Amino acid sequence: QVQLVESGGGVIQPGKSLRLSCVVSGFIFKNYAMHWVRQAPGKGLEWVAVISYDGNNQFYADSVRGRFTISRDDSKNTLSLQMSSLRPQDTAVYHCVKDDYDISGRNTPGNSWGQGTLVTVSS
Amino acid sequence: DVVMTQYPLSLPVSLGQPASVSCRSSESLVFTDGNTYLSWFHQRPGQSPRRLIYKVSNRDSGVPDRFSGSGSGTDFTLTISSVEAEDVGVYYCMQGTHWPPYTFGQGTKLEIK
Repeated sequence: QVQLVESGGGVIQPGKSLRLSCVVSGFIFKNYAMHWVRQAPGKGLEWVAVISYDGNNQFYADSVRGRFTISRDDSKNTLSLQMSSLRPQDTAVYHCVKDDYDISGRNTPGNSWGQGTLVTVSS
Repeated sequence: DVVMTQYPLSLPVSLGQPASVSCRSSESLVFTDGNTYLSWFHQRPGQSPRRLIYKVSNRDSGVPDRFSGSGSGTDFTLTISSVEAEDVGVYYCMQGTHWPPYTFGQGTKLEIK
């Protein structure tokens, strides 16, 4: 079955950098776009970034553009999110999410989510 | 960006009773291909979200048929025909027509009365 396992979260000081990873299994990773979606403590869902199936295109939320970089390593079935210049408002659980173009006919976060990794930005 | 507005934000419901969540978008979600990319997600306490509905009214695999989605243009509804205990949690609508960014509603918290 489809599995997505995030790692790399932790407590980090404002202005520092952190790299999140998501290792996937149960599907052909290279065939799918992938998303990051975050959820601040006690708050709602916020889409962060998407990378195309071939890695050639990336799109970001305005709140992270220029600070975060989404990437993928198909040889390792791994999605990454490099976060720099972190701010307290970046504190959230970060989920990687499988795209489901094959189901819905358009790139969109689908029905396979990881359990998330918590990033806390605090001095 | 498209703003998604849900109501109510809190929904107390008795077991076995129907429940509805509404979602309104700031602009039409009909895409140039004729489809409407509106999804509904459910998040139980302490769990990751799970998608229930995609393209307004299509249930995801394994989703009970007591869940249904309807609507068009800018107004959408998620209906639970008979609420069960496992349905508690927060429900979110999300638009995937005008991206980036994908945008979610604020969430509607369903609790059992």
